[in-house]
Amino acid sequence: GENVEQHPSTLSVQEGDSAVIKCTYSDSASNYFPWYKQELGKGPQLIIDIRSNVGEKKDQRIAVTLNKTAKHFSLHITETQPEDSAVYFCAVTDPQGGSEKLVFGKGTKLTVNP
Amino acid sequence: EPEVTQTPSHQVTQMGQEVILRCVPISNHLYFYWYRQILGQKVEFLVSFYNNEISEKSEIFDDQFSVERPDGSNFTLKIRSTKLEDSAMYFCASLRGGGNTQYFGPGTRLTVL
Repeated sequence: GENVEQHPSTLSVQEGDSAVIKCTYSDSASNYFPWYKQELGKGPQLIIDIRSNVGEKKDQRIAVTLNKTAKHFSLHITETQPEDSAVYFCAVTDPQGGSEKLVFGKGTKLTVNP
Repeated sequence: EPEVTQTPSHQVTQMGQEVILRCVPISNHLYFYWYRQILGQKVEFLVSFYNNEISEKSEIFDDQFSVERPDGSNFTLKIRSTKLEDSAMYFCASLRGGGNTQYFGPGTRLTVL
């Protein structure tokens, strides 16, 4: 089945700096790549996603890039703010099984220091 | 904005007891999922449900687990005889169909003593 690796596991930045989180996946047939933000005690919340026919997508301070050849995708957060502090998960829709289930990375704990 | 809701937010039970976790998916969604997250670990898929039947399940989803959509709004996960290792956050998610975005509920923290 699909396997997703995510790095780094923790990331600490100063307010205003940029943060980059990277994920790789194993199944070249995967075609949907969402990023979720999880705050303490809450469920994952979708922040941005990208489909395989697009190389980059941006939404204000957040962007995602996808390299299908290399099977990796990245989350970029610019001008970070303390409220960006959370755990971020990348995910991939597993093309096997047909149910659109998500396979998650292990998460990155982002800390934005004021 | 419509959202997925889950009850209870926290369930404490004794090992061997049955528990039922409840979810109300977004009303016009057609696909429903349960995931779990053991403390400090990644979110793992348990089961997907479509058209009133299981469409896919993981190795974790053994005979102790079952799912049901008893009416037009609720979606439940039952664990028949809980084990210590079932302690985790359980998330329900739903998907509209014709798209890819899964929306997650806030989760139920299950503690098995």
